[in-house]
Amino acid sequence: DGGITQSPKYLFRKEGQNVTLSCEQNLNHDAMYWYRQDPGQGLRLIYYSQIVNDFQKGDIAEGYSVSREKKESFPLTVTSAQKNPTAFYLCASTKLAGANGELFFGEGSRLTVL
Amino acid sequence: DAKTTQPPSMDCAEGRAANLPCNHSTISGNEYVYWYRQIHSQGPQYIIHGLKNNETNEMASLIITEDRKSSTLILPHATLRDTAVYYCIITGGGNKLTFGTGTQLKVEL
Repeated sequence: DGGITQSPKYLFRKEGQNVTLSCEQNLNHDAMYWYRQDPGQGLRLIYYSQIVNDFQKGDIAEGYSVSREKKESFPLTVTSAQKNPTAFYLCASTKLAGANGELFFGEGSRLTVL
Repeated sequence: DAKTTQPPSMDCAEGRAANLPCNHSTISGNEYVYWYRQIHSQGPQYIIHGLKNNETNEMASLIITEDRKSSTLILPHATLRDTAVYYCIITGGGNKLTFGTGTQLKVEL
């Protein structure tokens, strides 16, 4: 079945460590997004990419990095520079041309810094 | 993208219609109204969207006022499984959707 797969679902890391969250989609979508969600809060945009080898910062990009080497993959690295990385991370994708703008989300990755 | 205002929470009896309001008084002419919902600890799910006409699909109806400054999402027969946070989002394109804190809908027996 087509969809977006995020892994791992749960992740623990020690302070000072970088960690990479995986996001893969087989929907042939052009654009991909990373959002962060804190308890009781809405989603905040970290990075997004509308085409391979290109990406833009969202509202809270500091301490994060991304790459878009393949259309179907958009990994997010949470670096040690991110001061408060414990959060729920959501990846999404959408088809740009000829579509209704609907975002498809993965099931999320919950990162806890110990 | 225009800012939205939604009530933080609402309750609804099972089987009754749930009417979720959203104010977006700064919406511009080319911006759409989108609704998503998020069940606890899952990714948000698209519900419906519209520009100026009312829209209906298998999940819900969207009523947009004539001046487009507010809208209402209607779940015609709410069930316990409709308990979720509902997000109203305004976007003009570029698919850079900004999510606020939404409305927590609680459907009760």
